[in-house]
Amino acid sequence: AQSVAQPEDQVNVAEGNPLTVKCTYSVSGNPYLFWYVQYPNRGLQFLLKYITGDNLVKGSYGFEAEFNKSQTSFHLKKPSALVSDSALYFCAVRDRTSGTYKYIFGTGTRLKVLA
Amino acid sequence: DSGVTQTPKHLITATGQRVTLRCSPRSGDLSVYWYQQSLDQGLQFLIQYYNGEERAKGNILERFSAQQFPDLHSELNLSSLELGDSALYFCASSVVSGKNTGELFFGEGSRLTVL
Repeated sequence: AQSVAQPEDQVNVAEGNPLTVKCTYSVSGNPYLFWYVQYPNRGLQFLLKYITGDNLVKGSYGFEAEFNKSQTSFHLKKPSALVSDSALYFCAVRDRTSGTYKYIFGTGTRLKVLA
Repeated sequence: DSGVTQTPKHLITATGQRVTLRCSPRSGDLSVYWYQQSLDQGLQFLIQYYNGEERAKGNILERFSAQQFPDLHSELNLSSLELGDSALYFCASSVVSGKNTGELFFGEGSRLTVL
C-alpha cells in the first residue's frame, strides 16, 4: 500500500534560518507527491507537487522540495524562514489502485519559526 | 480562495443526532473527496465521488454516508453521533481524469462539535 511518513511532529527554526520539513514515501510505480500547508482554522493550501522531471520543485511562498528517488524522500525546504511560515505542513502521495485515485496524507509536521 | 465551498462552517449538536455537511466543488471539478481531521491528528480519508459515483472508500464508519448529486455538489451525512465524531471535516475537489496529475483543492472545512 502507498504510504507517507513525516517523522517529525514539530520543527523549530529561527527566523532567517533555512528550514527543512521531512517526508518519506512508499509507493509502487512512479510517485506523485504533494506538499500542503494548513494555517489555524483554515483549509489546506497547495504548495507544490512532483510528478516528473527535475528533482527540485519550486512552489508557492518561496518553498521548494527535493525529490530523492533512492532515499524515497520528498523534503520541503525554504532558504530563509519567516515567522509567518509557522503552520502545519502535510506531505501527500497519490495512490492509484483499482483505477481510482486516493490522496494519502502524512500525519503533519508543525513548523514553528521563532523571531 | 480555493473555489471549494463548505457549509456550515461550525456545527454544534448532541450525541445521537444526525447532521449533513455540504460541499460545492470548484467549477468543472468532477471529483469530490471527504476527509476527517480530529484534534492534533492528520487527515483521514473518508470517501471519494467522481461524477456522481462512489470511487473509493477509506476509513468511513457505517454511521456515515455520502453522495454526489447531478450538479456535482456533495453531502456527507453523519448519524448517531458520538463524542468522538467531533472533528474538522474537509471536502476537496479535483478534476481527475485518467491523465490528471493535479492537486486537490480544499474547502475551509466544517467544524463539528458533538456534546
